[in-house]
Amino acid sequence: DIQMTQSPSTLSASVGDRVTITCRASQSISSWLAWYQQKPGKAPKLLIYKASSLESGVPSRFSGSGSGTEFTLTISSLQPDDFATYYCQQYNSSWTFGQGTKVEIK
Amino acid sequence: EVQLVESGGGLVQPGRSLRLSCAASGFTFDDYAMHWVRQAPGKGLEWVSGISWNSGSIGYADSVKGRFTISRDNAKNSLYLQMNSLRAEDTALYYCAKDIGITILKPNAFDIWGQGTMVTVSS
Repeated sequence: DIQMTQSPSTLSASVGDRVTITCRASQSISSWLAWYQQKPGKAPKLLIYKASSLESGVPSRFSGSGSGTEFTLTISSLQPDDFATYYCQQYNSSWTFGQGTKVEIK
Repeated sequence: EVQLVESGGGLVQPGRSLRLSCAASGFTFDDYAMHWVRQAPGKGLEWVSGISWNSGSIGYADSVKGRFTISRDNAKNSLYLQMNSLRAEDTALYYCAKDIGITILKPNAFDIWGQGTMVTVSS
């Protein structure tokens, strides 16, 4: 099974900060990676698919990059609505999620 | 409006069964693969099971294989999860999720999620 490891587990940041979250796969997954945002009590929301493709309706301050085993999600200028938990998901072979990164207010 | 609405969760004793349902609306249900994903209280996301558009391909996580059965009724725009021999570790919020693609044989991301239905396994 492919394991996904996110870092950091928690990130403290301020509005306007540039934020980067890393996701590493235990083996190559090409570009078959998605990023989701989840707010407390809500369902996950798809942000990025195929490593760098922005889902329709998602603000352009979100971007994804990487291929193979290392990927990043970047929020160019953190907004109040962005404080949430972010998950990566590989779909190269079955589906596996990372453990999540909580972005909290500094 | 594109929507997934789960139902059927509740409190159940270990070893018993429960059947979850997911009603889809706002999109052509039989054009897409569908999945169940669960989230234990305070924990991360775990893929549980997936089914292709025509039920021709089905997959399960090792943790539920042999105990859970996924199915769909395209005429009713509905997805189901029959859960047997439930264990305490199956306690979670169960989400229904729509695949971007049509088949689980070519895995894809999930673009629409329901709000979930809670399953609690306890004596």
